[in-house]
Amino acid sequence: AQKITQTQPGMFVQEKEAVTLDCTYDTSDQSYGLFWYKQPSSGEMIFLIYQGSYDEQNATEGRYSLNFQKARKSANLVISASQLGDSAMYFCAMRFRNNQGGKLIFGQGTELSVKP
Amino acid sequence: EAGVTQFPSHSVIEKGQTVTLRCDPISGHDNLYWYRRVMGKEIKFLLHFVKESKQDESGMPNNRFLAERTGGTYSTLKVQPAELEDSGVYFCASSLRRLAGLGEQYFGPGTRLTVT
Repeated sequence: AQKITQTQPGMFVQEKEAVTLDCTYDTSDQSYGLFWYKQPSSGEMIFLIYQGSYDEQNATEGRYSLNFQKARKSANLVISASQLGDSAMYFCAMRFRNNQGGKLIFGQGTELSVKP
Repeated sequence: EAGVTQFPSHSVIEKGQTVTLRCDPISGHDNLYWYRRVMGKEIKFLLHFVKESKQDESGMPNNRFLAERTGGTYSTLKVQPAELEDSGVYFCASSLRRLAGLGEQYFGPGTRLTVT
């Protein structure tokens, strides 16, 4: 069965430091995509970064990078130089290239708090 | 370009009542998804429309939930009669293309439903 696991319910980080949010997944499919979304207190879901299973390089988007280790089935999000505005819930999600219609499977989320 | 919008933002109803949630996807997006996050749990897929057709409704919890997308534009999700366990945040997302890596899903702000 396909499953996403985020083992850190809550994380704290000092402003300007880097933080890694863990995400592991379980699938027997070879072709899939991994996503990270941010949900601030206002409630909207903001797309952050995407990694394809066949991408050889780790994805990066500004201060966000995805540490993709396919053999270990992990897709950790690294946020560099944390800012107070990074405080939010972060969700890891997975989607498949087969005919499953593109639905996303989400992890439980990690609540990140950035301390000044 | 307007994003995905959802109405209402909050709804408080009594057990046994009916509630209808609405989602307006991004114009031109054929794919529309409904997800739900029950308190403290992961976000779960409910169903997927391609234009006006239900592509996948495997996540619908029971027959008290009815989703429609007449004309392939906006979608409604009706809960009738509502139960306490239906409380949560209901998200709508839309995408231009449904294959993983080829169609990022854009989420709406969600509707927070509270059943008392």
